[in-house]
Amino acid sequence: EAGVAQSPRYKIIEKRQSVAFWCNPISGHATLYWYQQILGQGPKLLIQFQNNGVVDDSQLPKDRFSAERLKGVDSTLKIQPAKLEDSAVYLCASSSPGSYNEQFFGPGTRLTVL
Amino acid sequence: DQQVKQNSPSLSVQEGRISILNCDYTNSMFDYFLWYKKYPAEGPTFLISISSIKDKNEDGRFTVFLNKSAKHLSLHIVPPQPGDSAVYFCAASLFYNQGGKLIFGQGTELSVKP
Repeated sequence: EAGVAQSPRYKIIEKRQSVAFWCNPISGHATLYWYQQILGQGPKLLIQFQNNGVVDDSQLPKDRFSAERLKGVDSTLKIQPAKLEDSAVYLCASSSPGSYNEQFFGPGTRLTVL
Repeated sequence: DQQVKQNSPSLSVQEGRISILNCDYTNSMFDYFLWYKKYPAEGPTFLISISSIKDKNEDGRFTVFLNKSAKHLSLHIVPPQPGDSAVYFCAASLFYNQGGKLIFGQGTELSVKP
């Protein structure tokens, strides 16, 4: 079974630029999560999708971050414009019905904002 | 407000000795707890979990203990092996069965020396 795929793996941008991350969850997983992990901290949930609907986006900085999950499969997370404090690893995870919290994580995208 | 805390950023143990990782939480309503393991450049992988109605769960060399009165859980690795060297995150969830989000601790980096 293929795992959660993410791209790119690394991205370096200047502040005020835009960036987008892509995630392809495990086939059949209805729930998809985006986390932000700042160095020295644990992952923090940014947004949770159930199929293509948003379940929780309470910690998503909506003035600069946006996410979508068209057709309930792939998802993209966008930052526009980026700030220095957005430097982090962005993790995508997915889970299947009946085991919501046994989440399977992708390798993450390491973002550096200069 | 850090609801889940891992107060030891790092831990070093000798191969064959007992390894104990600790985690404290503040919200008595959490109903499910999990441990994840993370190797460099990879996403976290699920290790073991425990429901709030239990006080112990065992899976091979890994045992998780939950002390609800102290709001404390611990992960015991017996015996630890060099391949167990990784960052360990504890996580807690509200409304686990309804897909509640995970709240992670900061992580403890475990080093198992041969």
